[in-house]
Amino acid sequence: ELKVEQNPLFLSMQEGKNYTIYCNYSTTSDRLYWYRQDPGKSLESLFVLLSNGAVKQEGRLMASLDTKARLSTLHITAAVHDLSATYFCAVGRAGNQFYFGTGTSLTVIP
Amino acid sequence: EAGVVQSPRYKIIEKKQPVAFWCNPISGHNTLYWYLQNLGQGPELLIRYENEEAVDDSQLPKDRFSAERLKGVDSTLKIQPAELGDSAVYLCASSLDGQYNEQFFGPGTRLTVL
Repeated sequence: ELKVEQNPLFLSMQEGKNYTIYCNYSTTSDRLYWYRQDPGKSLESLFVLLSNGAVKQEGRLMASLDTKARLSTLHITAAVHDLSATYFCAVGRAGNQFYFGTGTSLTVIP
Repeated sequence: EAGVVQSPRYKIIEKKQPVAFWCNPISGHNTLYWYLQNLGQGPELLIRYENEEAVDDSQLPKDRFSAERLKGVDSTLKIQPAELGDSAVYLCASSLDGQYNEQFFGPGTRLTVL
């Protein structure tokens, strides 16, 4: 069974600071996804990472994938309050199988 | 283009009552997923359809849960009878066929069983 672990589970950071969320998974994977979820809302797709070494950036968020280490990171640069949300990574495998991580609840403090 | 549509958005029922959720995926998306999300946790797959065929229902509690996608488009998830522990958000998602299938999620149905 594929396991996906995120850390930290909870993150409180000040505006303007940088931080990284980690996503580890237990077996080989075809692709890695990052989603954002605001309270009471559904999941919004942020990034799709398809190969080893893939890096994607959007605004203050940058995601990377190391398939050899079975690790993806979501780096936050100069955090702002609007980034407060829960972030999920999800591992995709052949046959449209998806496995979600536990989520990281991010709170950005002014 | 319309996203994934789910209804109702909220449902409150007494335990032992039946309940049904409806999902209409993005037009052209052949793969449809139903997930359960408990508070503070990530989504957990209940069932996955490829067109009208349920190709992965290993996590669906078949004694009380059922689902259908008769024409390969919209889908219904039913619980009968509901239990207190079924209180959660039920998410529907869809994706295109192909190798790199990004999933698009609906707004979810928040079920409260009293």
